[in-house]
Amino acid sequence: GAVVSQHPSWVICKSGTSVKIECRSLDFQATTMFWYRQFPKQSLMLMATSNEGSKATYEQGVEKDKFLINHASLTLSTLTVTSAHPEDSSFYICSARRFDPPDGSYEQYFGPGTRLTVT
Amino acid sequence: AQKITQTQPGMFVQEKEAVTLDCTYDTSDQSYGLFWYKQPSSGEMIFLIYQGSYDEQNATEGRYSLNFQKARKSANLVISASQLGDSAMYFCAMREPYSGGGADGLTFGKGTHLIIQP
Repeated sequence: GAVVSQHPSWVICKSGTSVKIECRSLDFQATTMFWYRQFPKQSLMLMATSNEGSKATYEQGVEKDKFLINHASLTLSTLTVTSAHPEDSSFYICSARRFDPPDGSYEQYFGPGTRLTVT
Repeated sequence: AQKITQTQPGMFVQEKEAVTLDCTYDTSDQSYGLFWYKQPSSGEMIFLIYQGSYDEQNATEGRYSLNFQKARKSANLVISASQLGDSAMYFCAMREPYSGGGADGLTFGKGTHLIIQP
């Protein structure tokens, strides 16, 4: 099956600093990756769609200047939380869309998540 | 309005019993996909089963089956012969047609916390 990794799996940072989270598709190319956020005991919320070679598309209410997304290659997307604050503490999960022609079907494969704690 | 509704915040079920997790959805699109994911305490999202809106037969994957009732916009997950390892959060999700922007991401329900008791 398709494998998606995230790094780091867990990070603690001080308020005001920036944190970068990597999402990699290990055995397939992903033209599209998605970033989700999950607060404790809540559901996953889509933050943004990351397309290789173009700007990310952010969901309503997500600050694009705070959550910088870079999808520089077909196997790597990064999410940078800039000037992190305690309210940014959350579980961040990426998924990668694998495109399987010819019927146009595709599935999303989730990474294991990154737990961010901002102190 | 919520697009995915899971009305059972938590469920306790005896081991080996079958369990049904409810999910209703709201969409005006004719083409869409419905997913169920399992999230154990480790946090990873484990794909369980998928149902396309045009699929005439209910999807099945091992002990998992999806009771798809399109007219009622219902996509309940049925787990047969539950096991202790089935204890986890279960999320129902929907993918609507890609229409540019971020519309291709999944919309998740609030989840059901399933606990299997020995």
